[in-house]
Amino acid sequence: GAVVSQHPSRVICKSGTSVKIECRSLDFQATTMFWYRQFPKQSLMLMATSNEGSKATYEQGVEKDKFLINHASLTLSTLTVTSAHPEDSSFYICSASPPGQGSINEQFFGPGTRLTVL
Amino acid sequence: GDSVTQMEGPVTLSEEAFLTINCTYTATGYPSLFWYVQYPGEGLQLLLKATKADDKGSNKGFEATYRKETTSFHLEKGSVQVSDSAVYFCALSDRLWGAQKLVFGQGTRLTINP
Repeated sequence: GAVVSQHPSRVICKSGTSVKIECRSLDFQATTMFWYRQFPKQSLMLMATSNEGSKATYEQGVEKDKFLINHASLTLSTLTVTSAHPEDSSFYICSASPPGQGSINEQFFGPGTRLTVL
Repeated sequence: GDSVTQMEGPVTLSEEAFLTINCTYTATGYPSLFWYVQYPGEGLQLLLKATKADDKGSNKGFEATYRKETTSFHLEKGSVQVSDSAVYFCALSDRLWGAQKLVFGQGTRLTINP
């Protein structure tokens, strides 16, 4: 159980276009979803936290107008990279956290999406 | 701010060798500590966790003890297998943040040769 999927797994786009990445919790309802970015040989950096039905909370330094996050249902969150540029090329990872686990809410991670902007 | 520093990789060992991956942290509150593992082509999976000082997390032969005095959470396994080859991430979650946010170390790539 507790499977999180991401689609697509890889995407290549031209500079200036927008790309949407989907994150789905397949067998549980996720009240909270997280979006991370991972640079080569570096750690995962939290970009934003989204709660179903409300606006996402972005980490300091993350442009909310560039990285649009929508958490419209308890099983789906989307990250849209708008007007993508080569510096947005990265590995994007989502995680989902089910409700009711007390103070330590385990996060279940998707396999990641490799974005390459040409 | 809070941070996690873990042993730089890559680490290459022979099968049945003893493994230690060092992890130290800085935190302003009372963090919970985690080790995640990422197998090739898969998402991060929780390997083990400890929520307070002196707790020992264990799973699949891996162990880590929450050492508050040395702010460490080193990962150990007595006899590694080829199937343990993966990237290992140490992480903390600080209760001051409502235990929601994870701060990760940079990851350590482990390769086990037969």
